[in-house]
Order: sequence, then C-alpha cells, then structure tokens
Amino acid sequence: QLQLQESGPGLVKPSETLSLTCSVSGGSIRSSNYHWGWIRQPPGKGLEWIGSIYYSGSTYYNPSLKSRVTISVDTSKNQFSLRLSSVTAADTAVYYCARHNFRSNWELDYWGQGTLVTVSS
Amino acid sequence: QSVLTQPPSASGTRGQRVAISCSGSSSNTGSYPVNWYQQLPGTAPKLLIYSNNQRPSGVPDRFSGSRSGTSASLAISGLQSEDAADYYCATWDDSLNGPYVFGTGTKVTVL
Repeated sequence: QLQLQESGPGLVKPSETLSLTCSVSGGSIRSSNYHWGWIRQPPGKGLEWIGSIYYSGSTYYNPSLKSRVTISVDTSKNQFSLRLSSVTAADTAVYYCARHNFRSNWELDYWGQGTLVTVSS
Repeated sequence: QSVLTQPPSASGTRGQRVAISCSGSSSNTGSYPVNWYQQLPGTAPKLLIYSNNQRPSGVPDRFSGSRSGTSASLAISGLQSEDAADYYCATWDDSLNGPYVFGTGTKVTVL
C-alpha cells in the first residue's frame, strides 16, 4: 500500500523559506504514470493546489505562487520536496503531499496525512 | 481565489439524497473531467470520484458524479451520518488559473 509522509519544520519566521519533504513508501516515485504534488489548506479554509513534479524533474506550478515555489525530486531517496520563499502569515496552512494519476484524469489518489506549518516570529 | 464555485453548505436527513454543484468555465469543467474529494473532520482529503463518475475501490455506490456543460455534480443517495464532511471538486484548467484547480468546497451536514 502506497504511503506518503510529510516532514519539516512546523514553525517558520516571516520572510524566510518554508521547506518540506514528502517521503514515499510502498511504491516507486520513478513510475511513469504519476506526478507528485503539493496542496495546502489554511486553517478553516479550502484546498489550494501548489504544484507537482514528475520523476524526471518536469514541474507544474500554481501561477499565483510560481515566483516563490520550487518543487524538486530525489529519486534515490524516493522523496520530493517543496520550498516556498519569502513566507508571510498568509502561508500558514496544513501542507499535504499527494500523488497525481496523470494517465487517468490527474486525480489525487493517495495523500499524506498533512503537516501544519505556522509562519510567525 | 478558486475558479470553481460550489455552494458553501448542503444538508439532509439520514436516507435523503443530497446534491452538490460545481460550476466552472470552458477552460476547466467545460473541457476536462472532474474529480471529487471528501474531507472528514480533522483528516486529509480522500479521492471520492474521478473522471466525472468513476468510484475508486471501496467508495460506496451511494456516491455518484456527473458533468454537463461547464458544471459538474456530486450526489449522495441515502445520506449516512458518516457522510458529514467537506466535499471539493477539482479538475485541470488550461487558462492562467491552472493547471489544477479546486472548488471552493461544500460542507455537508447530516441533520
């Protein structure tokens, strides 16, 4: 059974860079059928898609975040990562990693449990 | 701000049928199949419906989806107490909003 697990600091200072890693187990991140994505949810609000990456390094980003976001992949560790620069309180959210099945309809079929990141000094 | 509009809330008693709409445009729901996610309180979202009307293994058949024009709909037939959750539609978007967008979300209450 595929499992995804987010990890990283739970507290980030304003103007600094948020960094999270998603570890994938029970399957290979090198599969040709999937993109690997990040989604966030501010407290009490809806879901926002951040971006995704293919194992080759090809990426898609949300245009509203593109200038601050970098998603990378480490196939040797079966992990992919998110970096969000110049954070503000508006970036406080639960961050989820998930798998996109892009051979089907880009559905997010497996999700991590999520990790809360708070931006505060 | 999401480009897919859903009603903020919907409710019904046990056994009733509840329907949730998802309204978009020609660049998203008008051109691409829609996925639906269920988020139970305090948990990560879960895939409920994909490709408009397909249920992943393990999803009860009381959940069904459809798409027509630039709108999609999720129906819950025979509402159960465990269906109380937030529901989100999502799809590909080939405009400057994309490439993947979520709906605003609908909170379903079982009365």
